[in-house]
Amino acid sequence: RKEVEQDPGPFNVPEGATVAFNCTYSNSASQSFFWYRQDCRKEPKLLMSVYSSGNEDGRFTAQLNRASQYISLLIRDSKLSDSATYLCVVNKGWGKLQFGAGTQVVVTP
Amino acid sequence: NAGVTQTPKFQVLKTGQSMTLQCAQDMNHEYMSWYRQDPGMGLRLIHYSVGAGITDQGEVPNGYNVSRSTTEDFPLRLLSAAPSQTSVYFCASSEQGGETQYFGPGTRLLVL
Repeated sequence: RKEVEQDPGPFNVPEGATVAFNCTYSNSASQSFFWYRQDCRKEPKLLMSVYSSGNEDGRFTAQLNRASQYISLLIRDSKLSDSATYLCVVNKGWGKLQFGAGTQVVVTP
Repeated sequence: NAGVTQTPKFQVLKTGQSMTLQCAQDMNHEYMSWYRQDPGMGLRLIHYSVGAGITDQGEVPNGYNVSRSTTEDFPLRLLSAAPSQTSVYFCASSEQGGETQYFGPGTRLLVL
């Protein structure tokens, strides 16, 4: 079993709609959590950190459920520019990051 | 600030050749790391460094060497390239290692 699992998608989303997807992790000792965004053939970039209380950054909302060991990302009012692969990232400690394989989101006009 | 830079952008090697992938950062970050990204597998940590003179192995270190003689540079050496090392390689840096990692643009390597 992979340490960090994501639905690869693609999630095809009409412009303006809401899309949400999850990521599960296996190591209950994981310390911190992130969502990174990766555009095609580009480097990953931090989208947002995920806090226990849940957090929002504009149209993006991230949630953490430690009991069930999953994190989620919700994108509201999707824009064409949101088309990308979203990487779930778990920090196992000492900067050792474990990446999921990514969830592809395609926003269509 | 240039951020994290990597050279070369693309490289084709023959099996058994050696080469060094260069990585440099100008943000005075202590923590640097190398990842490889293969289709369907996500990024996997190869080696990392928590400061000049200190390196350690990640998840997939076999076939790769690193050194960290300065804060700025963290080269990755392929000792004897194999087709299984065909991948996209990303270098990253961060202040402490646990938070935001800044990635370089990547090196696409093909081993024939």
